[in-house]
Amino acid sequence: DAGVTQSPTHLIKTRGQQVTLRCSPKSGHDTVSWYQQALGQGPQFIFQYYEEEERQRGNFPDRFSGHQFPNYSSELNVNALLLGDSALYLCASSLGTGDHEQYFGPGTRLTVT
Amino acid sequence: GQSLEQPSEVTAVEGAIVQINCTYQTSGFYGLSWYQQHDGGAPTFLSYNALDGLEETGRFSSFLSRSDSYGYLLLQELQMKDSASYFCAVRSLVRDNYGQNFVFGPGTRLSVLP
Repeated sequence: DAGVTQSPTHLIKTRGQQVTLRCSPKSGHDTVSWYQQALGQGPQFIFQYYEEEERQRGNFPDRFSGHQFPNYSSELNVNALLLGDSALYLCASSLGTGDHEQYFGPGTRLTVT
Repeated sequence: GQSLEQPSEVTAVEGAIVQINCTYQTSGFYGLSWYQQHDGGAPTFLSYNALDGLEETGRFSSFLSRSDSYGYLLLQELQMKDSASYFCAVRSLVRDNYGQNFVFGPGTRLSVLP
């Protein structure tokens, strides 16, 4: 039973560039949520995708966008990168939007220089 | 807005019992979850309370009082491997009846000493 996978593991980008992060949910899961976790802090909710639509969104600017594909995998795109975007980006999957238990992937460590 | 408060650090010895508290302010509350995260690892789900009372899962128990907007995680028979960060998270609806929003607390770093 494959768990949540994310790619890449690490990424270094320059300020102003754009980045795309990828996530494959746990087998059988259809809902994907994205989080940003700064060092020493709790995960901050970015948005949630279900049925290929953004269902909920946290307090993040429009530079953060996403997509969900028919196979339930998802992408997180960040445009015009800022130094403050450096963080661990976590993807979590669940079964349906009403499921309280989320399974997290190992994350993508993004460094913006 | 929505906010959660947890102690930043807790230290205990092997075999002891420790309680990590969480207070929250949120709208559209649907439940309180607890997650464990080891350094360099992903958060892993520990427990969930939708109703008032105590939920027990092995060495871990979680309690919720919705009237007090308060919950705690109780860890018994502490082991060295329990050294990690623990996050409470509130499940709520932000916009409409579709989807859910998880707001995480700042985390409590638990150090278990021999």
